[in-house]
Amino acid sequence: GQQVMQIPQYQHVQEGEDFTTYCNSSTTLSNIQWYKQRPGGHPVFLIQLVKSGEVKKQKRLTFQFGEAKKNSSLHITATQTTDVGTYFCAGPTGGYQKVTFGTGTKLQVIP
Amino acid sequence: EAQVTQNPRYLITVTGKKLTVTCSQNMNHEYMSWYRQDPGLGLRQIYYSMNVEVTDKGDVPEGYKVSRKEKRNFPLILESPSPNQTSLYFCASSLKGGLFNSPLHFGNGTRLTVT
Repeated sequence: GQQVMQIPQYQHVQEGEDFTTYCNSSTTLSNIQWYKQRPGGHPVFLIQLVKSGEVKKQKRLTFQFGEAKKNSSLHITATQTTDVGTYFCAGPTGGYQKVTFGTGTKLQVIP
Repeated sequence: EAQVTQNPRYLITVTGKKLTVTCSQNMNHEYMSWYRQDPGLGLRQIYYSMNVEVTDKGDVPEGYKVSRKEKRNFPLILESPSPNQTSLYFCASSLKGGLFNSPLHFGNGTRLTVT
């Protein structure tokens, strides 16, 4: 079946350092969404990317969708302690009905 | 307040004792789905429903059942729970489709332990 892998699985950074997580799909995705899950919480939607090569920004967060629509990345500039959590990418499969999530990247920010 | 409500938040049970985890949404969403979250494996979809009386298997449906008799409710049923079903479960809904231009809204989760 379709697989969506994320790297790294864990990342510890000093506050103020940058952070990037990468999402790679075994098949082409029609779109991709990113979610953030705070410790003890539930996933919360961040953004959706649809077009090949698309780049979107949300304050310190930059999201990219690869040209082949098989990979995506989330980059956080100058991390803050509020960025702590697990970041997931997710893509639709089975004609938008099934959803496949990436394995997630857990970010720890050291003050 | 628009939300997805799951109950219970925590559940400890024994092998073989049938249980139901409830999920309800008040946003008139067509799509509802269940996921389990395990360390290192991310979120894996168990079942999904495109609308009332329409359900289908996700990636890990074995050992689970669902029903969608009303638009707002999507209970997850474990007929005979086993220890390998110990996990954190999330219900989620979206306006249309799986990820078709509409984000998933998640419940607060149910932590299930099967001994």
